[in-house]
Amino acid sequence: GDSVTQMEGPVTLSEEAFLTINCTYTATGYPSLFWYVQYPGEGLQLLLKATKADDKGSNKGFEATYRKETTSFHLEKGSVQVSDSAVYFCALSSNTGNQFYFGTGTSLTVIP
Amino acid sequence: NAGVTQTPKFQVLKTGQSMTLQCAQDMNHNSMYWYRQDPGMGLRLIYYSASEGTTDKGEVPNGYNVSRLNKREFSLRLESAAPSQTSVYFCASSDVGGPDTQYFGPGTRLTVL
Repeated sequence: GDSVTQMEGPVTLSEEAFLTINCTYTATGYPSLFWYVQYPGEGLQLLLKATKADDKGSNKGFEATYRKETTSFHLEKGSVQVSDSAVYFCALSSNTGNQFYFGTGTSLTVIP
Repeated sequence: NAGVTQTPKFQVLKTGQSMTLQCAQDMNHNSMYWYRQDPGMGLRLIYYSASEGTTDKGEVPNGYNVSRLNKREFSLRLESAAPSQTSVYFCASSDVGGPDTQYFGPGTRLTVL
């Protein structure tokens, strides 16, 4: 079945460091891919998405490119800030669109 | 727009008690979902409703029931709570049921003693 695998955390970075959080997926057909962010005590918020191969999603300095050849959707940011400290979830929407599959989440802490 | 709202925010139950978690959305979305979030396991789908009047099981439906009361509201019921159901519960909604963004509520933190 469809699934998402993302890198284990927690990740701790210094402010202005480069961030990569790896995400790979298994799916039949052509899923849509998402990154969600969860700040402490809150629900998940959409960070970015891509709906077809080679699409790049971007928001708030974060980027991720839908790579069908490597079945990946890695999240990157060139210079993280303390305010980026949160848990990041990679997700996949199945072909039918009725179900989403989430990774286990990667906790990011950015220290000044 | 309030988006997706959930009540209550926190709840403590004793084993065997029952309760209903309420969820409502004001975005006119067709699809609604219930997830539970546990440490190290991400979000797991309990039930979903692709449209008003329909419900389907997700990955972890045992011990839960749902009701899609109308297009706006989707409730989750625990008939006889167990400690294994201690978790944070999130409701979400999306449009059309297609590969679209899911919008999440703030969550309900449930503890079963």
